[in-house]
Amino acid sequence: AQKVTQAQTEISVVEKEDVTLDCVYETRDTTYYLFWYKQPPSGELVFLIRRNSFDEQNEISGRYSWNFQKSTSSFNFTITASQVVDSAVYFCAPYNQGGKLIFGQGTELSVKP
Amino acid sequence: NAGVTQTPKFRVLKTGQSMTLLCAQDMNHEYMYWYRQDPGMGLRLIHYSVGEGTTAKGEVPDGYNVSRLKKQNFLLGLESAAPSQTSVYFCASSFLGGRNQPQHFGDGTRLSIL
Repeated sequence: AQKVTQAQTEISVVEKEDVTLDCVYETRDTTYYLFWYKQPPSGELVFLIRRNSFDEQNEISGRYSWNFQKSTSSFNFTITASQVVDSAVYFCAPYNQGGKLIFGQGTELSVKP
Repeated sequence: NAGVTQTPKFRVLKTGQSMTLLCAQDMNHEYMYWYRQDPGMGLRLIHYSVGEGTTAKGEVPDGYNVSRLKKQNFLLGLESAAPSQTSVYFCASSFLGGRNQPQHFGDGTRLSIL
């Protein structure tokens, strides 16, 4: 069975600190896609990025970067120089073998001024 | 630039009442989904549709029905609301159903059953 784990339930940082959110996806699939979503306090879900399991290159978009380590099935998301507007719940969500998007429990990030 | 629109945004029902949540997308997406989100949890799939006229059960379908009469609309119905159905409901759509397709979400409907 597939399992997605976001071990960090809550993280609190001070503005301008770097922060990394962890996601581990256990599966027997050798190729798969994983998505990151942001849910700010206003409640909507915002698609951030899609990563695949056959590309271990880091991806960077502004202050956001994503790192995939195949050996540990870890998809980690780093925010550099965090800002108060980054405060949100972040979900990683892979597709399972049945083609359904499955969500981790989410990591609530609080960035304090 | 509407994307996925859900109506209503908030609703309070009494136990036993019925209601329908409407989801509309203007992106010509084939696939549409209904999820529920409960406190401290990720989203769980209720029902989904792979195209106009088709629907299928997700992870937690009991107590809900859906219809996809038009490609752009996906309706979620509660025939006899129960307090356990108090939740935030999200609709999503994707262009296709492949495992590389991002799903785009509406803003959610907050539903309380008293």
